[in-house]
Amino acid sequence: AQSVTQLGSHVSVSEGALVLLRCNYSSSVPPYLFWYVQYPNQGLQLLLKYTTGATLVKGINGFEAEFKKSETSFHLTKPSAHMSDAAEYFCAVTANTGGFKTIFGAGTRLFVKA
Amino acid sequence: DSGVTQTPKHLITATGQRVTLRCSPRSGDLSVYWYQQSLDQGLQFLIQYYNGEERAKGNILERFSAQQFPDLHSELNLSSLELGDSALYFCASSGTFGTGELFFGEGSRLTVL
Repeated sequence: AQSVTQLGSHVSVSEGALVLLRCNYSSSVPPYLFWYVQYPNQGLQLLLKYTTGATLVKGINGFEAEFKKSETSFHLTKPSAHMSDAAEYFCAVTANTGGFKTIFGAGTRLFVKA
Repeated sequence: DSGVTQTPKHLITATGQRVTLRCSPRSGDLSVYWYQQSLDQGLQFLIQYYNGEERAKGNILERFSAQQFPDLHSELNLSSLELGDSALYFCASSGTFGTGELFFGEGSRLTVL
């Protein structure tokens, strides 16, 4: 079975500062990895995904993530935070373990200070 | 707009009752997923259907059941409701079988009193 751990339920940064949201996964088979964002009263929407190939993945709104197999990590970064980035972020892993299940981490709420 | 439609958006009911949540996936998507989101449990995978067949099961209680109909819409039935079933229930759809992006609806917020 696969699992996802997001380090830090809350992260606070100043506007213009680096955003780093941490995600570690566990999977017995090669995983597909995703980051989703959830704004208040909305469903989740995809920021970026890793399936195969290049380990540095670029997504929407200036976010990117790097797949590091040796560290079983898929951390999300953005060089400069904007106020509009304040939201909850979920890391997710999909693996074929007797059916494709997409398992989500507990989420990290990002606060951006002016 | 993700293209996934969920109804109702809000539902208030009493313990012991039964409710049905409905989901219409994006046009052409064959996979439908159901998730439960609560403050203490986070986002929990319940069940997945692909073209009418159950394909993966998560932490779905026996009091809950789901199905996907020939027109690809899906329903999640919750029965003998308890206070702890109060949560936001999301439906998501995907155009690929298990490995692609999930498109989420806006959720159905269930309150059990």
